[in-house]
Amino acid sequence: GQNIDQPTEMTATEGAIVQINCTYQTSGFNGLFWYQQHAGEAPTFLSYNVLDGLEEKGRFSSFLSRSKGYSYLLLKELQMKDSASYLCAVSSGAGSYQLTFGKGTKLSVIP
Amino acid sequence: EAGVAQSPRYKIIEKRQSVAFWCNPISGHATLYWYQQILGQGPKLLIQFQNNGVVDDSQLPKDRFSAERLKGVDSTLKIQPAKLEDSAVYLCASSEAGGPGDEQFFGPGTRLTVL
Repeated sequence: GQNIDQPTEMTATEGAIVQINCTYQTSGFNGLFWYQQHAGEAPTFLSYNVLDGLEEKGRFSSFLSRSKGYSYLLLKELQMKDSASYLCAVSSGAGSYQLTFGKGTKLSVIP
Repeated sequence: EAGVAQSPRYKIIEKRQSVAFWCNPISGHATLYWYQQILGQGPKLLIQFQNNGVVDDSQLPKDRFSAERLKGVDSTLKIQPAKLEDSAVYLCASSEAGGPGDEQFFGPGTRLTVL
């Protein structure tokens, strides 16, 4: 089975940096996704990590350690519009591939 | 490029009634997914199609839920009869080929309330 853990809620200040952690236990791991979901909207893709290390994309970076079953999403220069839920999702399987999502971390950015 | 379309956006029904949701994926996408997202949780995969064949329906409550993807394009998800615990947002997503790193594109979802 799959088990994915991430904090339920976080609060950070506009302009600051925040790190959202995700730990997972899974079989048949292929890679790890991060999605952003604003309230009442569909999830949108942020990043995908398949190898260990840091992937940087503008203000957002994502890190993966396969041996530790650990990932984090780093958001820099926080803006009010970054207030959203951030979903960690593990890709697993062979032949056909499925995503298993964590419960999401609700980030509130305050002035 | 048009995104994933879903309808209706909202539906309110009473328990034991039936309901159907429709999804039109991004043109050319071979893989289509239906997810259930209960408030405060992440999406849970219900069923995954590759073209018009089912590749995973292990979490679909088959006694009440059914889905089809005729001709490998549009898809319909049906619940019959509905229960109170089916209240959730039903998200449809599609990806180009269903590979392990393929980005999934989500539709706006259908918010179902069962009274």
